[in-house]
Amino acid sequence: QSVLTQPPSVSAAPGQKVTISCSGSTSNIGNNYVSWYQQLPGAAPKLLVYENDKRPSGIPDRFSGSKSGTSATLGISGLQTGDEADYYCGTWDSGLSASFVFGAGTKVTV
Amino acid sequence: QVELQQWGAGQLKPSETLSLTCSLFSGSFKGYFWSWVRQPPGKGLEWIGDINESGTTNYNPSLKSRVTMSLDMSKSQFSLNLSSVTAADTAVYFCARSPHSGPFYNVDVWGRGTTVTVSS
Repeated sequence: QSVLTQPPSVSAAPGQKVTISCSGSTSNIGNNYVSWYQQLPGAAPKLLVYENDKRPSGIPDRFSGSKSGTSATLGISGLQTGDEADYYCGTWDSGLSASFVFGAGTKVTV
Repeated sequence: QVELQQWGAGQLKPSETLSLTCSLFSGSFKGYFWSWVRQPPGKGLEWIGDINESGTTNYNPSLKSRVTMSLDMSKSQFSLNLSSVTAADTAVYFCARSPHSGPFYNVDVWGRGTTVTVSS
């Protein structure tokens, strides 16, 4: 069971927007940066957003990240069928045993 | 274009030791943290740990007693050993690169993954 909570699934029609939430605590999201990953079926994860709201080179601005307090959000606008994938949030957990933690993942259906 | 290529035994029996190696093609080995992440069938991602160029390691507390990571700077390779495996260790194992440790941690480059199955 992950310390970061994500909804199991979200869905929307092509062209619409979805948001995926990632809820944590002060030991993780509250005091560390959040990153987001897209995993297409059968593929390795891919970094979409880092340091809460920054996009690596090549990631379209349809993908956006934000953070407030102990929660973070990934937004995907102008949904395309190619966006159907699992999405994971991740952050450092500064608790007693520091480690990187992922959310359980959210399946996006277009 | 930074690329990670990984290899290792894909079939293990319970109690054996999992051994995987990842090699960096193109790009610098220095200044980064070299990570391992696994994904059991149908489940989410689990961070196993990382190692930096100085050999300093960080391990997931839940796996710490069984994990050993090492690196060979001369070959731009890093390795994962997981001892006393059980069926619960069956997963796809990814090697990866992290530009930072601590609060800024993220994983920006991923290997293609190696499927490891533990079965008697």
